[in-house]
Amino acid sequence: GQQVMQIPQYQHVQEGEDFTTYCNSSTTLSNIQWYKQRPGGHPVFLIQLVKSGEVKKQKRLTFQFGEAKKNSSLHITATQTTDVGTYFCAGPNTGFQKLVFGTGTRLLVSP
Amino acid sequence: DGGITQSPKYLFRKEGQNVTLSCEQNLNHDAMYWYRQDPGQGLRLIYYSQIVNDFQKGDIAEGYSVSREKKESFPLTVTSAQKNPTAFYLCASSITGNVGNQPQHFGDGTRLSIL
Repeated sequence: GQQVMQIPQYQHVQEGEDFTTYCNSSTTLSNIQWYKQRPGGHPVFLIQLVKSGEVKKQKRLTFQFGEAKKNSSLHITATQTTDVGTYFCAGPNTGFQKLVFGTGTRLLVSP
Repeated sequence: DGGITQSPKYLFRKEGQNVTLSCEQNLNHDAMYWYRQDPGQGLRLIYYSQIVNDFQKGDIAEGYSVSREKKESFPLTVTSAQKNPTAFYLCASSITGNVGNQPQHFGDGTRLSIL
């Protein structure tokens, strides 16, 4: 079945360092969504990318959708302790009935 | 404020007991979902419903049941057949249409444990 993998599984950085998580799908996606889940919390929608090669920015966060629409990345510039959490990518299954969530990348930021 | 309300926040289940987790939304969304999340893991889809009185099994439906009698409500029953129910359960909703293209809004979750 369709799989969405993320690397790394876990990353620990010092505050101020940059962070990147990569998302790879086994199938071509019509769109990719990114969510953030704080420790003990629920996933919160961050952004959706639709076009091949699309790049979107939200303050220190930069999201990119690959040219082949099978991969995506999230880059955080100068991390802060408030960035702590698990970041999930998600894309629709072939029939568009549901979202397939990636395996997630857990980010820990030390002050 | 519009949102998704899950209750209870914490739930304990005895052996052989069925328990029901509540999920209510006032976002006027047509589609609703139930996910299971184990510690340090991703989200696994249990059941989903795109419209009232209709629902489909997700990837791990065994031992669970749902109903969708009202647009705003999508309760999940964890039956005694689910031998390892301890997990964090998340309910979500989205606007209909091509649901795979729509962002999902999540409730705060219910933590279920075995007594």
